[in-house]
Amino acid sequence: EVQLWESGGGLVQPGGSLRLSCTASGFTFTDYALSWVRQAPGKGLEWVSAISRGADTIYYADSVKGRFSTSRDNYKNTLYLQLNSLRAEDTAVYFCAKADYSSFFNYWGQGTLVTVSS
Amino acid sequence: IVMTQSPATLSVSPGERATLSCRASQSFSANLAWYQQKPGQAPRLLIYGTSTRATGIPTRFSGSGSGTEFTLTINNLQSEDFAVYYCQQYSNWPLTFGGGTKVEIK
Repeated sequence: EVQLWESGGGLVQPGGSLRLSCTASGFTFTDYALSWVRQAPGKGLEWVSAISRGADTIYYADSVKGRFSTSRDNYKNTLYLQLNSLRAEDTAVYFCAKADYSSFFNYWGQGTLVTVSS
Repeated sequence: IVMTQSPATLSVSPGERATLSCRASQSFSANLAWYQQKPGQAPRLLIYGTSTRATGIPTRFSGSGSGTEFTLTINNLQSEDFAVYYCQQYSNWPLTFGGGTKVEIK
């Protein structure tokens, strides 16, 4: 059974940093690209970042480019999202999602809440 | 690519049909997916490649369209189908989602 489990969310002040983790199981981690998708309270889904199987290609949404950094550890079956220079508008539930052979998402974690507030 | 969904809210009676629209700001191939999300839950993949149902998705869900106009149809709405639905294009980077359509009980 495919499982994705996010952790690392919490309350952080504007300008602060946080690192999210997503631990995966139930599939061959190195065979699939992964993404981060976020959802602000009461709002829709926003794709944040994607990383290829070998981490040689990484994409970011314009809204986070230069502030967020995605990486993966293929030995630990873990995906990471480093969030820097956080703003109030970054407040959201952050989901990790497993891409299928293309860039749609057939499995999602349950999400971790990041709240940016003073 | 900007994805626009309509209507924002759709009121439907159980057993009826719901038709959800997703319009793209530019034309692309069949790389469109639909997701269902219920309160407090992660999204669930329903449709990919415009019209292919994901594993375990009932046949009452169907997708169609091409170019800039895509549709999700839900026939014989069941109580468990009342939720928010999102379309997503994966033809171009950045990946983009529509704003969602809430299907509510009439």
